[in-house]
Amino acid sequence: DTAVSQTPKYLVTQMGNDKSIKCEQNLGHDTMYWYKQDSKKFLKIMFSYNNKELIINETVPNRFSPKSPDKAHLNLHINSLELGDSAVYFCASSQGQTSGRADEQFFGPGTRLTVL
Amino acid sequence: AQKVTQAQTEISVVEKEDVTLDCVYETRDTTYYLFWYKQPPSGELVFLIRRNSFDEQNEISGRYSWNFQKSTSSFNFTITASQVVDSAVYFCALRGRLQKLVFGTGTRLLVSP
Repeated sequence: DTAVSQTPKYLVTQMGNDKSIKCEQNLGHDTMYWYKQDSKKFLKIMFSYNNKELIINETVPNRFSPKSPDKAHLNLHINSLELGDSAVYFCASSQGQTSGRADEQFFGPGTRLTVL
Repeated sequence: AQKVTQAQTEISVVEKEDVTLDCVYETRDTTYYLFWYKQPPSGELVFLIRRNSFDEQNEISGRYSWNFQKSTSSFNFTITASQVVDSAVYFCALRGRLQKLVFGTGTRLLVSP
């Protein structure tokens, strides 16, 4: 009964490659997010989608492109990977602003990306 | 601008001690939400509590309690009778008008037997 799932859990790749991380939620939530956690554990939002529409786009290099094929999925594609992209990437979802439980974000298990 | 400050980088206690994790926030929004998340060594982020800005009532859940004070812009978290399983990084977070969560830098709690 996984609520928010991400694949892969670990990703090791060479600089310059293109990779994708997938996220799915089965909670029926309207809003999904991507966060990056760096080596110092600092967590920062990257993107947010509400019903497949981009609503938050922080200052993130355009090598990062989120894609939401439907409201249960939010994938993250990264082009031309760099060493500094090494981090743990967390997907999250929440009901959104229309529910009394708005803002409680449920996080996936994270994807540890290592760029060599 | 929204900001969350967790001044304590790391706290070490011995089992059964009480420990308080501090969180101070800044926001210009009149309506906002405050959260605490736990990140154990396994790496997942576990939701602990959410508080909205209109509800200053303190909350207790088992050994956990939270003290929300708007006057000092603080939302502190106390663990009573700490246990080794409480060892984790704890994050305080703030959400204002926008959907995004702004996290503090986290406090690493080490509970030794």
